[in-house]
Amino acid sequence: GQNIDQPTEMTATEGAIVQINCTYQTSGFNGLFWYQQHAGEAPTFLSYNVLDGLEEKGRFSSFLSRSKGYSYLLLKELQMKDSASYLCAVRDDTGFQKLVFGTGTRLLVSP
Amino acid sequence: SAVISQKPSRDICQRGTSLTIQCQVDSQVTMMFWYRQQPGQSLTLIATANQGSEATYESGFVIDKFPISRPNLTFSTLTVSNMSPEDSSIYLCSVEGGDADEKLFFGSGTQLSVL
Repeated sequence: GQNIDQPTEMTATEGAIVQINCTYQTSGFNGLFWYQQHAGEAPTFLSYNVLDGLEEKGRFSSFLSRSKGYSYLLLKELQMKDSASYLCAVRDDTGFQKLVFGTGTRLLVSP
Repeated sequence: SAVISQKPSRDICQRGTSLTIQCQVDSQVTMMFWYRQQPGQSLTLIATANQGSEATYESGFVIDKFPISRPNLTFSTLTVSNMSPEDSSIYLCSVEGGDADEKLFFGSGTQLSVL
């Protein structure tokens, strides 16, 4: 089965750093994705990890530990526009390699 | 990257009717994925649509309720049949972008409300 957990909600202040955690237990693993979704909009791709370690992309970084079934998304220098839902998704290793999404974390950035 | 046009963007429907959602991609793709996002929830995969074969449905979703067509490599439709208020959701189609990480790109979604 597939089980992907994230905190439901987080709050942070403009300019701060926030870490959104994701733990997963899946029957197969072929990569982990983070997506951002603003209210009323489609998800947009943020980052991808398939090997252990940290991937950095501007203000956003993502970390993966496959042995622990754990990832986090790190957002630095928070801006008001970062208020959104952040979705962790695991790709399985079956024929279709479909993405299974976690519960999503709603982040509210305040001034 | 892939550009996906999805329509309608929103609709309000009566109980018992059906709605067909269209998804057009600007390039040929092998697989298209249909997701549902219920209010305040994350995305749940409904089915995977492969061109030239029957769609593969996830647990809890059946072809009679969500028939899917995939007539060619750039187009797919999802029909929500015999709708009830519980079907009120956002429906999203998605495709892989074709680059190394094979990330998914999403259509803009269809906001469906069933009265």
